[in-house]
Amino acid sequence: ILNVEQSPQSLHVQEGDSTNFTCSFPSSNFYALHWYRWETAKSPEALFVMTLNGDEKKKGRISATLNTKEGYSYLYIKGSQPEDSATYLCAFNSGAGSYQLTFGKGTKLSVIP
Amino acid sequence: GAGVSQSPRYKVAKRGQDVALRCDPISGHVSLFWYQQALGQGPEFLTYFQNEAQLDKSGLPSDRFFAERPEGSVSTLKIQRTQQEDSAVYLCASSSRLAGTDTQYFGPGTRLTVL
Repeated sequence: ILNVEQSPQSLHVQEGDSTNFTCSFPSSNFYALHWYRWETAKSPEALFVMTLNGDEKKKGRISATLNTKEGYSYLYIKGSQPEDSATYLCAFNSGAGSYQLTFGKGTKLSVIP
Repeated sequence: GAGVSQSPRYKVAKRGQDVALRCDPISGHVSLFWYQQALGQGPEFLTYFQNEAQLDKSGLPSDRFFAERPEGSVSTLKIQRTQQEDSAVYLCASSSRLAGTDTQYFGPGTRLTVL
């Protein structure tokens, strides 16, 4: 059974603060790690797909890093804005003919104006 | 272009009723996935298709759950004799290929409540 853990479960930050959350996943049989942002009443939005150890990806004020040897990824948000309020999900794919994603429970971010 | 759409967005069913949930993937996308998200949990895999072929249905929780994609585009997830534990958000996703590195594009989900 693949176990993907995300922490913290929820987070409240002030507008302008920078923040980060963690996704841990099995370090064996790693193939890809996906990050999504899911705002209430909308579709989950793909942020990053990461595959290589040491990978760093950036999209605007959001960036992510990947450590496949120790089985974790960090998502960073610089200068949080109220529109960043959402649940951030990470999802693991183990490859080997398996195409589905195994998701964590998500980190719910609330940015207070 | 148009994203993944799902209908209905909300469905209330009485216990024992059958329901059908529809997914319209992004045009031309080969792969289609169904996930179930129970309250407080992350989405969990149910089944996926490559074109019209259902390649993996190992995540379907019981034989009351059935999915089809007869023409390789629109998919329907059917739940027979709904139970309260079936209450969840059902998410559909599509991707252009079948690969673990490919982005899966999600619809907004159908929230099913079984009374």
